[in-house]
Amino acid sequence: GESVGLHLPTLSVQEGDNSIINCAYSNSASDYFIWYKQESGKGPQFIIDIRSNMDKRQGQRVTVLLNKTVKHLSLQIAATQPGDSAVYFCAENKGGSNYKLTFGKGTLLTVNP
Amino acid sequence: DGGITQSPKYLFRKEGQNVTLSCEQNLNHDAMYWYRQDPGQGLRLIYYSQIVNDFQKGDIAEGYSVSREKKESFPLTVTSAQKNPTAFYLCASSYVTGGGYEQYFGPGTRLTVT
Repeated sequence: GESVGLHLPTLSVQEGDNSIINCAYSNSASDYFIWYKQESGKGPQFIIDIRSNMDKRQGQRVTVLLNKTVKHLSLQIAATQPGDSAVYFCAENKGGSNYKLTFGKGTLLTVNP
Repeated sequence: DGGITQSPKYLFRKEGQNVTLSCEQNLNHDAMYWYRQDPGQGLRLIYYSQIVNDFQKGDIAEGYSVSREKKESFPLTVTSAQKNPTAFYLCASSYVTGGGYEQYFGPGTRLTVT
């Protein structure tokens, strides 16, 4: 899931498999992280978030893992469905009074029936 | 129904014309943002505003202008000085205090300039 150049990295999975989307973040001071899902032609939607004092957080069919040692974030989607096909972005907040988010370049997930 | 709206969904303009994209939120958020998204790429920040009558340039502000006369509204004008205006434009809003700075996005406006 690392971004290279101007093109989105892609991940293709079979329906029912688990998906893992990765993201490397830039700032060791970042203390809040979000995963967004963006379907074609629509605005990004919040999926799940995690604070830096946690290593793992689970939602419905999704789990976010945070490894602060290597500044790595991952999104795991269980039993991937065709409706999960979208671009997934990670975002980080650098903490303190800085309220802006810094977005990763995104990963295109394609679920094959 | 709380949320953030953008209009229109599709916009077509001739080269050399200025065009204004609308963004309205009723979430009582202080901050609002404009992003540009090109095909197969991520989000690039154009302008953002933390408070009424104040706004800051983002990473790609050249050729764009904004205003923030009301807390709920943050219109973006794409001027004729913008070299490649055709893109998908996204507006977002968030809180600025209390942590957890999740941004809520509108549905986007696809601008085509020919």
